[in-house]
This record gives sequence, structure tokens and C-alpha cells, in this order.
Amino acid sequence: DAKTTQPNSMESNEEEPVHLPCNHSTISGTDYIHWYRQLPSQGPEYVIHGLTSNVNNRMASLAIAEDRKSSTLILHRATLRDAAVYYCILTNTDKLIFGTGTRLQVFP
Amino acid sequence: DTGVSQNPRHKITKRGQNVTFRCDPISEHNRLYWYRQTLGQGPEFLTYFQNEAQLEKSRLLSDRFSAERPKGSFSTLEIQRTEQGDSAMYLCASSQLPTTWAEAFFGQGTRLTVV
Repeated sequence: DAKTTQPNSMESNEEEPVHLPCNHSTISGTDYIHWYRQLPSQGPEYVIHGLTSNVNNRMASLAIAEDRKSSTLILHRATLRDAAVYYCILTNTDKLIFGTGTRLQVFP
Repeated sequence: DTGVSQNPRHKITKRGQNVTFRCDPISEHNRLYWYRQTLGQGPEFLTYFQNEAQLEKSRLLSDRFSAERPKGSFSTLEIQRTEQGDSAMYLCASSQLPTTWAEAFFGQGTRLTVV
């Protein structure tokens, strides 16, 4: 599975938008881009995924660069409940390989 | 349906003892995955099943680890002769479709402490 690079940590204020970046320069044409998040003392939770086009759902938006070598998870209005570790994962096999993710802190 | 259920939530065992964890996936999910997570790290893939067939095992899974999924429903993960390095959170996930393009649902995990 191709490798992803994410910042170790990011901070945001409540009700502000958050842009979480992910670099994946070795992505292959069949790799899907997934985002999961893990709240404290919980198992990971699916956020969003995409292949080539930008995606929106009730939780977030996923912006994928035209060359697919990077992507950005967008939380439109951060809440305190969004404080978590966010994982960017590439996969074209039937399993998810997690890195260390980005720890997002949200301040009131 | 209450989601993926894992039991027990916590387990403390003495080094050298055997332990077994159980995972009940979401009904009708034919795929079931086991992961291990240590402090400050992301979950590490251990193994997965499609129905009752174990399709892949990570090189991380030593001979002391065995997983089963009889009848393609619940799954068990057994660790024999536990070592302190086995202390971790063990996570189970299930999905109805390949997680390449579909959502995986995770349980809350079983935290194992080996003393």
C-alpha cells in the first residue's frame, strides 16, 4: 500500500473551518483515498473516501488534487467533538493500513 | 443493531497465560478484520475474514496468535503464552463490501494488559 504523509498535529478554534492535509505522491491509479478518525477511547470511525473527484457528505468534504498526489479533508465548522486523530489511508486491497495520523485539537 | 461488539472491554492477564477475545460484527457483514493498536500508534492490521475463510494474515501475527470465524458470524482472537509486548488495544471491524471502496465499522476494542 502506498504511503501517506500527514502533520503530527493541528489546532483549530471552535466553529472555524479546518483543512487537514495529506500527501501521497506514490499513489497508484487504483488507490482509493480514505479518511477515518479516532476519538479518545474509541475505535476508528469512517469519515469519507474518494477516488478522483471531490466528495461531500454530512461529516466533511474531501478535496483531491488533480494529480491525486495530495488531498485535503475539510471540516466546515469544527466542534469540540471533532477533536480526534485523523487518518488518511490509501488502499486498493481489502484492508486499511493506518499511519500515525494528525491529532486535531479544537479550542472553545 | 448496536454496531460491532467486542468482549471483554478490558482484560488483565499474567504473562504466559492464554487469552481469548470475541468480536460480534454487524449482522450480514461478511467481512471481519482484526487490528492491534499500541499507545500513540495507528491501528496495525492483523488478519481478516470473508465469511468463514481467513483470507490474509499479517507477518506481525506470530504463531501464538490464532483467529477463527466459525460459520461466518462472530470471531475469536486467541493469544497463547502472552508476553508483555502483547499489551495493546485489539480492535475488530466489519464491512459488507470491500473496504477498498466501502466503509468499515469498528468496535470499541478490547484493552489487554499483560503483567
